[in-house]
Amino acid sequence: AQSVSQHNHHVILSEAASLELGCNYSYGGTVNLFWYVQYPGQHLQLLLKYFSGDPLVKGIKGFEAEFIKSKFSFNLRKPSVQWSDTAEYFCAVYTGKLIFGQGTTLQVKP
Amino acid sequence: DTGVSQDPRHKITKRGQNVTFRCDPISEHNRLYWYRQTLGQGPEFLTYFQNEAQLEKSRLLSDRFSAERPKGSFSTLEIQRTEQGDSAMYLCASSLDGQLNEKLFFGSGTQLSVL
Repeated sequence: AQSVSQHNHHVILSEAASLELGCNYSYGGTVNLFWYVQYPGQHLQLLLKYFSGDPLVKGIKGFEAEFIKSKFSFNLRKPSVQWSDTAEYFCAVYTGKLIFGQGTTLQVKP
Repeated sequence: DTGVSQDPRHKITKRGQNVTFRCDPISEHNRLYWYRQTLGQGPEFLTYFQNEAQLEKSRLLSDRFSAERPKGSFSTLEIQRTEQGDSAMYLCASSLDGQLNEKLFFGSGTQLSVL
C-alpha cells in the first residue's frame, strides 16, 4: 500500500537555525512528491513539488527538497528559518490522489 | 475570492444527526477531492470526483458517508447518523484533470464537532 512517513512530529528551532524534515514514501509507480504547508489559521498550500529531472527542487520562501530514489526519501530543507516559518508541514505522494504523511509541527522561536 | 470555498466553516451537531457540507471548487477545475483531518494527523483521503463521476472512495469510509457532485461543479458530503468519531476537519480540494503536474488547491475546511 502507498504510504508516507514523516519522522519528526514536532520540531522546535531558534531563528536562523537550519531545518531538515524527513519524509519517506512507499509507492511502486512513477513518483510525484510534494510538500504542503499549513500556517496557523490558514489552509494547506503547496510549498514545492517533484516530478522528474533535477532531484533538488526549490520552492517558495527559500525551501528546497531533495529526492533520493535509492532511499525513497524526499526531505525538506531550509538553511535559515524565520519565526514566520512556524507551521505544520506535510509530505505527500501522488498516486492518482494525494497521500499525506502525518505532518511535522515546526515551531520557530524568535 | 476565486479559491476553493467550503460551507459551513464550523458545524456542531448531536450524535445521530445527519450533516451535509458543501464545497465549491475553482471554476475551471474538473477534479474535486474530499479529505478528513484530525488533530496531529495529515489529511486522510476520502473520495474524489472527475467532473460528476466519483472515481474512487476510500475503503476506510463508512457507508454512512456519501458524496455527490451532480453537475460537475460543487460537491456535497453527507454524513448520516453522526458519531463522536466523525469529529474532524473536512477538507475539500480541487485541481485540473489529473496531469503530472497535479496541484491541489485546498479550501479552509469544515470543522465538525459531534457531541
